[in-house]
Amino acid sequence: GNSVTQMEGPVTLSEEAFLTINCTYTATGYPSLFWYVQYPGEGLQLLLKATKADDKGSNKGFEATYRKETTSFHLEKGSVQVSDSAVYFCASGDTGRRALTFGSGTRLQVQP
Amino acid sequence: SQTIHQWPATLVQPVGSPLSLECTVEGTSNPNLYWYRQAAGRGLQLLFYSVGIGQISSEVPQNLSASRPQDRQFILSSKKLLLSDSGFYLCATAGSTDTQYFGPGTRLTVL
Repeated sequence: GNSVTQMEGPVTLSEEAFLTINCTYTATGYPSLFWYVQYPGEGLQLLLKATKADDKGSNKGFEATYRKETTSFHLEKGSVQVSDSAVYFCASGDTGRRALTFGSGTRLQVQP
Repeated sequence: SQTIHQWPATLVQPVGSPLSLECTVEGTSNPNLYWYRQAAGRGLQLLFYSVGIGQISSEVPQNLSASRPQDRQFILSSKKLLLSDSGFYLCATAGSTDTQYFGPGTRLTVL
């Protein structure tokens, strides 16, 4: 079945630093790829997605590019803010089950 | 746009007691519905999904069950809770694409 691997957290950055959270996947075919964000005590919110190779998803200054060659979908942001502190989940679509396979999540802490 | 409601928001239950968590969806029809569990500091585990009324697929054998009595209602139940059932339970919905949208969650503590 599908699997998603994310870099371990927590990731601690100073405000305005550059962010990269690595995500790689294994899957049959070319699934859609997603980044979700979870703020403390809340459910998950869709941050961005990409549905095919070389697509770039972007939202709120975050972006990620679907790299078929490296089976990766790394999340990046040029300048993080304290309000970006949250847990970030990478996920891949599983068309067989119409479900998503999630990575274990990466906690980001941004300090002022 | 669709809205997902979950209740209760928090729940503290003794070991061996029954459980019923409810999820309802507005703004869409015939959605796929999902129950996930997130243990403290962990990722999401898919528990059940449903593609229609009365159609339930179980991902993980355990003492939980799910039912879908109406198109936009999804219920998670247990007859006897275990300590290991503690966690954050999330309901999600998906329409014609595989993008999923999540409810606010229910935090369950079993003592």
